[in-house]
Amino acid sequence: DAGVIQSPRHEVTEMGQEVTLRCKPISGHNSLFWYRQTMMRGLELLIYFNNNVPIDDSGMPEDRFSAKMPNASFSTLKIQPSEPRDSAVYFCASTSRGGGGDGYTFGSGTRLTVV
Amino acid sequence: AQSVSQHNHHVILSEAASLELGCNYSYGGTVNLFWYVQYPGQHLQLLLKYFSGDPLVKGIKGFEAEFIKSKFSFNLRKPSVQWSDTAEYFCAVKTGGFKTIFGAGTRLFVKA
Repeated sequence: DAGVIQSPRHEVTEMGQEVTLRCKPISGHNSLFWYRQTMMRGLELLIYFNNNVPIDDSGMPEDRFSAKMPNASFSTLKIQPSEPRDSAVYFCASTSRGGGGDGYTFGSGTRLTVV
Repeated sequence: AQSVSQHNHHVILSEAASLELGCNYSYGGTVNLFWYVQYPGQHLQLLLKYFSGDPLVKGIKGFEAEFIKSKFSFNLRKPSVQWSDTAEYFCAVKTGGFKTIFGAGTRLFVKA
């Protein structure tokens, strides 16, 4: 298995532009999580899905952030419009047992820089 | 509210020194416990996990952790660290439901 695949690896965009981050979980995993990591705030859970359904999006910082999981093999995190304070590394993680009973498998992350 | 506390934000050791990173959680029920490692510029990787049974759990690369239920602790240990162990280490706890709660992380720097 290729693991959790995220794209792009790096994204540099101008303030106000729309950014879309993509994640392909491990086949057979039924839970997917989006995290944001910064030096100041550490690792923050943004949203998680179980069986493609959003379970808790209370970590999404603002309405500018939205996430979808149209099927079991694909999820997106969108920021519109982007702001410099959104600069961070965004990780996607998946797991096969509801909520991480086996631990998470993380993707390599997307390093987002908003200038 | 459930929380995970990692006592040290930064640890500096010389090679061959012994390592112990503290982790405490606040939850009175059944828990699953994890340690993850993040090498510089990389993603988090699972180091070891505890579900039940023997409270002393052995993971990869010579790491181990001990679950002490009475102390709500799950400390990570390694008898002799190497320069390649330089990384950030995250303790994580899964209680009921879907969420796993991560600690703030401990940055370990091993001097060669």
